[in-house]
Amino acid sequence: AAGVIQSPRHLIKEKRETATLKCYPIPRHDTVYWYQQGPGQDPQFLISFYEKMQSDKGSIPDRFSAQQFSDYHSELNMSSLELGDSALYFCASSPPGTGVTGELFFGEGSRLTVL
Amino acid sequence: AQSVAQPEDQVNVAEGNPLTVKCTYSVSGNPYLFWYVQYPNRGLQFLLKYITGDNLVKGSYGFEAEFNKSQTSFHLKKPSALVSDSALYFCAVRGTGFQKLVFGTGTRLLVSP
Repeated sequence: AAGVIQSPRHLIKEKRETATLKCYPIPRHDTVYWYQQGPGQDPQFLISFYEKMQSDKGSIPDRFSAQQFSDYHSELNMSSLELGDSALYFCASSPPGTGVTGELFFGEGSRLTVL
Repeated sequence: AQSVAQPEDQVNVAEGNPLTVKCTYSVSGNPYLFWYVQYPNRGLQFLLKYITGDNLVKGSYGFEAEFNKSQTSFHLKKPSALVSDSALYFCAVRGTGFQKLVFGTGTRLLVSP
């Protein structure tokens, strides 16, 4: 079965650089979520999109932005990178009609290292 | 606001013994509760969820969880642990009307041979 695809899997950047992470949800899933997981920490919700519109916002820094495109893939753009941005970034998707009762399907994550 | 507490950083159990990983929650309205497992450098895999109905929920890989409304708990259980169950386990909650899933701090399960 198709899963959530994230790219790149690994990314190394310098401080103050920019980075873009991409997420391709499971086909026909209409909601995308972004989470950040620091070393040894629990996943922290950043932002979500439903039908290409932002549906919820969590602890996403102003330096970060995201969008969902017409083909439902999503991109997380991170600018002015800081050392503390080093983390595993997960994308997840959920199918239509499940609302708050549906589970999220997670990708394998993109590991960002800021030097 | 919704929140989840996992009081144990690590749970150690011998293979073949039953295991319990604890989770308590706080949410306004009806709770929607989930368990996920994470292997090193991997994504989170869904194990099971409680939405409504029977308090005992069965999930993947022989895991089950018991919802207890009075104790606001949703403990993960397995009758007989396997070494391959060793991983990081996260409890998560959503409240009515909240789209985001809020995770607990995780519990590392270590099953020894």
